[in-house]
Amino acid sequence: GQQLNQSPQSMFIQEGEDVSMNCTSSSIFNTWLWYKQDPGEGPVLLIALYKAGELTSNGRLTAQFGITRKDSFLNISASIPSDVGIYFCAGQLYQGGSEKLVFGKGTKLTVNP
Amino acid sequence: DAMVIQNPRYQVTQFGKPVTLSCSQTLNHNVMYWYQQKSSQAPKLLFHYYDKDFNNEADTPDNFQSRRPNTSFCFLDIRSPGLGDAAMYLCATSRDWATNEKLFFGSGTQLSVL
Repeated sequence: GQQLNQSPQSMFIQEGEDVSMNCTSSSIFNTWLWYKQDPGEGPVLLIALYKAGELTSNGRLTAQFGITRKDSFLNISASIPSDVGIYFCAGQLYQGGSEKLVFGKGTKLTVNP
Repeated sequence: DAMVIQNPRYQVTQFGKPVTLSCSQTLNHNVMYWYQQKSSQAPKLLFHYYDKDFNNEADTPDNFQSRRPNTSFCFLDIRSPGLGDAAMYLCATSRDWATNEKLFFGSGTQLSVL
C-alpha cells in the first residue's frame, strides 16, 4: 500500500526556534492534512491543503502542498512549550475505486523552555 | 464545544471480556470512522460507515465489529479482547466520503486489557 515517509521522527528544540518537518511519497495525493496530537488526546486538524503549490498559514504554522503532489511540509515559527506533541501528516488519494487517507508515522516535537 | 465525543476516555477490560466503546457527533456528518492507534504509531483505520453502509478494511480482525444505529452514534465492539488490542481507539467523522474532506477526531478511548 501507499506509504508516507515523515521526517524527522523526533525533534528536540529550544523555545523560540523554528521547526520544519515534511512528508514524502512515491504516490500522488489530492489532499494533504496536518494534525497535531497531544498525549492522551485525539489528533486535531491544523491545516488542510487542496491544490499543488498551495501555501497556507495558521498562526505560526505554515504548510505547503508540493508542486509534484507527492510531498508536503509543515513549518512552525518561534516555537513555544505548548507546541510539544506529535505532528502527523495525512495524504488523501483515490485508489481502487475508493478514497484512501494515508497517515505518516508522526514527528514527535519536544520544546525546551 | 466538542463535536466528536468519545466515551469513556479510559476503559479497562479483562482478557476475553467483550467491551463496547461509543462515539457521538454533533456535526451531522455522513461518515464515521474507527481508528486504532498504538503507542508512537500512526492511526490505523479499522472500518467506516458511510451513512448506514458499513465498510470494513481488509486487515481488520473479525474480533472487531461496529454498529451505527443513527447518524449521531457509532459503536465499536470488541468481542474477545486480547492483550494486543490494548490501544487508543479514535473515532472520526467527515462530511462526505470524497476527496478534500477533512477528518475530525474525538479525544479517543484508551483501552487497557488485563
